[in-house]
Amino acid sequence: KAGVTQTPRYLIKTRGQQVTLSCSPISGHRSVSWYQQTPGQGLQFLFEYFSETQRNKGNFPGRFSGRQFSNSRSEMNVSTLELGDSALYLCASSLGDWGLTFTDTQYFGPGTRLTVL
Amino acid sequence: GNSVTQMEGPVTLSEEAFLTINCTYTATGYPSLFWYVQYPGEGLQLLLKATKADDKGSNKGFEATYRKETTSFHLEKGSVQVSDSAVYFCALEPNAGGTSYGKLTFGQGTILTVHP
Repeated sequence: KAGVTQTPRYLIKTRGQQVTLSCSPISGHRSVSWYQQTPGQGLQFLFEYFSETQRNKGNFPGRFSGRQFSNSRSEMNVSTLELGDSALYLCASSLGDWGLTFTDTQYFGPGTRLTVL
Repeated sequence: GNSVTQMEGPVTLSEEAFLTINCTYTATGYPSLFWYVQYPGEGLQLLLKATKADDKGSNKGFEATYRKETTSFHLEKGSVQVSDSAVYFCALEPNAGGTSYGKLTFGQGTILTVHP
């Protein structure tokens, strides 16, 4: 089974621009979560989508947004880029349906390295 | 709120040495616990997990036991290899639904370097 894929792998943008990152989950997974990884702040949760609906959101400004399509693929968008947005952006997919077990396991993609100049 | 604390790194070992990376957590209820590993230039790979107290997760010679009484999930390996050099992250998932959906809380990561 193919893993989580993210495109592009690397991006260089300038301040004020906007960027869109894409994530394709493992086949059959309906939940996609996004994380930002930086040396200073570590791994921080951005948001989670399940069946095209955002179910959870982290503490990031409104410049960070996302969406999910009917095939479970997800995109995240960052508008008006700032230098501090330079980071590795990771997406993770999971079944997302906790059912009676109330547990789920996330599988991560390779990430998109965003550099803002 | 939920939090995960890992031992300070970096950790430097010789090949075949014993490895322990400490992880303690704060959470309400009964979270699931995970160890992920990140190799240079890559994303996170799931190493092992445990979903309830006293469960032991294991994979590739690594083990960790979910200890609710000490709120710990320490990672151990009996004999490390050079190829184990990476960053290791301990994480928890609250298992409470609602605002917990899809949200892993991570420790700060521990850099492991193994020398031949």
